Amino acid sequence: GAGVSQSPSNKVTEKGKDVELRCDPISGHTALYWYRQSLGQGLEFLIYFQGNSAPDKSGLPSDRFSAERTGGSVSTLTIQRTQQEDSAVYLCASSDFNEKLFFGSGTQLSVL
Amino acid sequence: AQSVTQPDIHITVSEGASLELRCNYSYGATPYLFWYVQSPGQGLQLLLKYFSGDTLVQGIKGFEAEFKRSQSSFNLRKPSVHWSDAAEYFCAVGNTGTASKLTFGTGTRLQVTL
Repeated sequence: GAGVSQSPSNKVTEKGKDVELRCDPISGHTALYWYRQSLGQGLEFLIYFQGNSAPDKSGLPSDRFSAERTGGSVSTLTIQRTQQEDSAVYLCASSDFNEKLFFGSGTQLSVL
Repeated sequence: AQSVTQPDIHITVSEGASLELRCNYSYGATPYLFWYVQSPGQGLQLLLKYFSGDTLVQGIKGFEAEFKRSQSSFNLRKPSVHWSDAAEYFCAVGNTGTASKLTFGTGTRLQVTL
C-alpha cells in the first residue's frame, strides 16, 4: 500500500477484555515499530522488529502486552486483560534503511 | 538512558512571525536527532533529521534545526510561520546505529493566530 495502515482506527473495550491491534507496514520496509501516545505524554516506545532478528521488547510495559510480526510484514499488538490505563493511541511505524519512520494514523483504544 | 525534553508544552505565534521550538536531549554519544510533526487527524511526519556533518539541517515546509553539542540542544526554527503550521511537534533522539528506536519528547503544541 501507499502508507502504513492500522486497524481498527478506534476500539472501545471493557476492562478485562483482550484486544488485538493490526499494522500493515509499507511494502519492503524491514523495520516495524509500535509506540503508544497517551494524553499529555510523548510517544512511548513499545517494541521494534527488524527483519528476522529477535524483536526488541524492552518497551513493553507489562506481560499483558505482546506483539508478533508474521512473514516479516503484518504485525499484531495484543493487550490481554485490558486496564483503563491502557487507554491511548497506539501508533505503528515502519522504515527502510534510511532510518526515516513512516507512521500510521494510529488506533485509539478506549478501555471502559 | 537517553531522554528528550521539550520545555514548552504550548506556544502561540502570529502568522508571519518567526518560530523557535526548544529541544534538549540527554545522550552519551553522538545522537541521531529528529523533529516530527503531527497535524490534526494525521499521522506523524518527519520534518528533518541530523546524523552528522553540518550542524544546521534543512527540512521540509521551510523548517530548519541546529544541533548544538555544547548545549545538548536541537531547536527547530522557521522564519515565517503559516497558519497551516499549527500542529504538535515532537523532538526525538535515537541510538547511533539504531536510529529508528527513538525516544520522543512530550511534544509542543503550536497555535497560530491570524
